[in-house]
Amino acid sequence: DGGITQSPKYLFRKEGQNVTLSCEQNLNHDAMYWYRQDPGQGLRLIYYSQIVNDFQKGDIAEGYSVSREKKESFPLTVTSAQKNPTAFYLCASSSGRLVNIQYFGAGTRLSVL
Amino acid sequence: GQQLNQSPQSMFIQEGEDVSMNCTSSSIFNTWLWYKQDPGEGPVLLIALYKAGELTSNGRLTAQFGITRKDSFLNISASIPSDVGIYFCAGQPLETSGSRLTFGEGTQLTVNP
Repeated sequence: DGGITQSPKYLFRKEGQNVTLSCEQNLNHDAMYWYRQDPGQGLRLIYYSQIVNDFQKGDIAEGYSVSREKKESFPLTVTSAQKNPTAFYLCASSSGRLVNIQYFGAGTRLSVL
Repeated sequence: GQQLNQSPQSMFIQEGEDVSMNCTSSSIFNTWLWYKQDPGEGPVLLIALYKAGELTSNGRLTAQFGITRKDSFLNISASIPSDVGIYFCAGQPLETSGSRLTFGEGTQLTVNP
């Protein structure tokens, strides 16, 4: 099946620990995105990448890092510098061309132990 | 980042009722998208709109791209319990280059059987 796979579905982080959320797509999309969603709120853009080996900060990039070494993969690391990491994290991809429809994964819920 | 004003924030309706929600912006948009998010899942695209005045249906859902290009509407007819979820509008401002979308804050819909 074509789509976007996020793993794990649930993740727990200890104080001072870095954790990495996985996002893989087999849609042959050029662009990929990471969003953070807090309860009862909308989507806030963390980072996005329009092409391999390039990415840009979104609106809330502090405390997060990403890489884009392969077209299919866009992992997000939540670093210890992110003091309030508990949230639902969504990955999306799009063809990146004129009509920008983003398709989402099922999300990863991150909690702090 | 740029904001979209989505209203209402929440709706509580009886099964069988019709629902209307809308999004407005201070900027001109060249694309409007409507997504639905079920609890604990990623948003799923419902309808995409590309031209001012466009009216598009998807089953019981109908969405319109406003003539001014600064707003969009989503209507759900004869609601059923599985319509429960959060509905997001999203769009691409005309002046934005690249592939970022701007999202509304969402409308939480509750349908009472």
